[in-house]
Amino acid sequence: NAGVTQTPKFRILKIGQSMTLQCAQDMNHNYMYWYRQDPGMGLKLIYYSVGAGITDKGEVPNGYNVSRSTTEDFPLRLELAAPSQTSVYFCASSVRQGGRGGTEAFFGQGTRLTVV
Amino acid sequence: DAKTTQPPSMDCAEGRAANLPCNHSTISGNEYVYWYRQIHSQGPQYIIHGLKNNETNEMASLIITEDRKSSTLILPHATLRDTAVYYCIVRSDFGNEKLTFGTGTRLTIIP
Repeated sequence: NAGVTQTPKFRILKIGQSMTLQCAQDMNHNYMYWYRQDPGMGLKLIYYSVGAGITDKGEVPNGYNVSRSTTEDFPLRLELAAPSQTSVYFCASSVRQGGRGGTEAFFGQGTRLTVV
Repeated sequence: DAKTTQPPSMDCAEGRAANLPCNHSTISGNEYVYWYRQIHSQGPQYIIHGLKNNETNEMASLIITEDRKSSTLILPHATLRDTAVYYCIVRSDFGNEKLTFGTGTRLTIIP
């Protein structure tokens, strides 16, 4: 199992450009999450999904869009990149296991994005 | 989900037990306590979770007070590789699928 795979690992964008951060998991998890982490700060939830076709906003959704057409993939789209979106982005997945508080979340290794 | 409070930083000598506290005084009956850690900007790693009984696994022990308003994560023999930011999270078993992180405790293991 590869777990949670994020691509690319690094990217430099110019202001106003667009890009898609890819996230794929091979564990058949129904829950998937996108976070951003600014330098020296904690993780902020951007969007999450509880299954294919279902997405919802987290704490900091502005400037981002997501889709979940399959169980495996959860891409994050930046339409008009701004310097404030310079951050490290983490994708995670987990599976619901009722009666035990859900299960652990598995995280990818992150995408380091710089907007200049 | 209930809010958690953790000290911003702690030090621990290598080889000693590291005890990381977490306050969750507004926790409700169906909420679990989770611990994750993040080593040097890697993706966070799950450590342990529990409801009201103490839990132990190969990484750590989790002690939850009887009133469930606080908990302690114990790393029994800390090594330099345990230097990380540790996050305590309270999460409901049902009805809320969000997984949100606070600011955590930065644990430094000192040689």
